[in-house]
Amino acid sequence: NAGVTQTPKFQVLKTGQSMTLQCAQDMNHNSMYWYRQDPGMGLRLIYYSASEGTTDKGEVPNGYNVSRLNKREFSLRLESAAPSQTSVYFCASNYYGQGSVGYTFGSGTRLTVV
Amino acid sequence: AQSVTQLGSHVSVSEGALVLLRCNYSSSVPPYLFWYVQYPNQGLQLLLKYTSAATLVKGINGFEAEFKKSETSFHLTKPSAHMSDAAEYFCAVSAYYNQGGKLIFGQGTELSVKP
Repeated sequence: NAGVTQTPKFQVLKTGQSMTLQCAQDMNHNSMYWYRQDPGMGLRLIYYSASEGTTDKGEVPNGYNVSRLNKREFSLRLESAAPSQTSVYFCASNYYGQGSVGYTFGSGTRLTVV
Repeated sequence: AQSVTQLGSHVSVSEGALVLLRCNYSSSVPPYLFWYVQYPNQGLQLLLKYTSAATLVKGINGFEAEFKKSETSFHLTKPSAHMSDAAEYFCAVSAYYNQGGKLIFGQGTELSVKP
């Protein structure tokens, strides 16, 4: 099915461990995004990639790195996880054309750092 | 830069009553505006979007929103609430041609529906 696929869906990490959240889209979208969702704070943008080969910081980039591996894939890495990074992470991609725009979201990754 | 303010983190209505969820935006360029719904432990579902066509936008599940440029608002309404409308609602703004099409979200409004 066409869409945005995130892996894993759930993860528990110990403080200081590292991990990479994977995201892939098969809709040939140029732009991709990583968000985190915390209660009462909506979704906050961590990093985004406007096109293949470019990445930029969003609102809350500290503690994260990203890689736009190719047009399809955009990964998010936590080098040294902290309890403050306990959150639900969403990847998204978007299209724009002929006066319309739309965003497709993955189903999310629930990350707990203990 | 774009930003969104949702007035009221919690809204409670009775079943059958009008639903009104408020959203004000700030944008330095003409915006695209969105409303999403999220049910517990689920992902985001698009309710409706404004992309500079008609200012009154109709969405799924009987929801609609009106873009008012003079008030910088994009409030979400539904004439008659159902129990199944209980969820969290997010307003979001983007300006695609500016800064890579970043979608900026409000803090969310949790809607409760009383029987």
